[in-house]
Amino acid sequence: ETGVTQSPTHLIKTRGQQVTLRCSSQSGHNTVSWYQQALGQGPQFIFQYYREEENGRGNFPPRFSGLQFPNYSSELNVNALELDDSALYLCASSPERSTGELFFGEGSRLTVL
Amino acid sequence: GQNIDQPTEMTATEGAIVQINCTYQTSGFNGLFWYQQHAGEAPTFLSYNVLDGLEEKGRFSSFLSRSKGYSYLLLKELQMKDSASYLCAVRSFHGSSNTGKLIFGQGTTLQVKP
Repeated sequence: ETGVTQSPTHLIKTRGQQVTLRCSSQSGHNTVSWYQQALGQGPQFIFQYYREEENGRGNFPPRFSGLQFPNYSSELNVNALELDDSALYLCASSPERSTGELFFGEGSRLTVL
Repeated sequence: GQNIDQPTEMTATEGAIVQINCTYQTSGFNGLFWYQQHAGEAPTFLSYNVLDGLEEKGRFSSFLSRSKGYSYLLLKELQMKDSASYLCAVRSFHGSSNTGKLIFGQGTTLQVKP
């Protein structure tokens, strides 16, 4: 069983640029959520996708957007990058019928200069 | 509002027992989770409580009191590899999916010393 995989693992961008992060969910999982984790903090919920539709959003501005594809993989897009966007971006998947346990990928470490 | 509090850091000795507390205030409570996160790695699931009481899983146990908005994670027979950040998270049910979103605390960094 393949776990959650994310790419790229590390990347550096400059202010104002745009970034796309990718996530392949665990086999059989149709729900994907994205979290932002700043250094020394807990993960913060960005949004969740269920069956290709956004199904809940945290307190993040519209320049954070996403997609979920028919194979349940997902993308996180961030436009007009700001310095404060520097963080670890975690993707997590879960099956439809579960206690809600999330299976996290290793994350994409974004640095904005 | 929604708020989760847990201590920032704790230190314990190898072989000992440590209890990490978590208090929460949230609407739409639908379960409490504990995750372990080693530095530079992804969080991994440890435990889940939705009803009051103690859940035991090997060296790890988790307790929940919904009326008090309180949980703790108990780690027994501490090992050096238990040095990690421990994240308390509350599930807030929403949307058409039954999984909901998790609201995480800032995490408790546990250092296990020889």
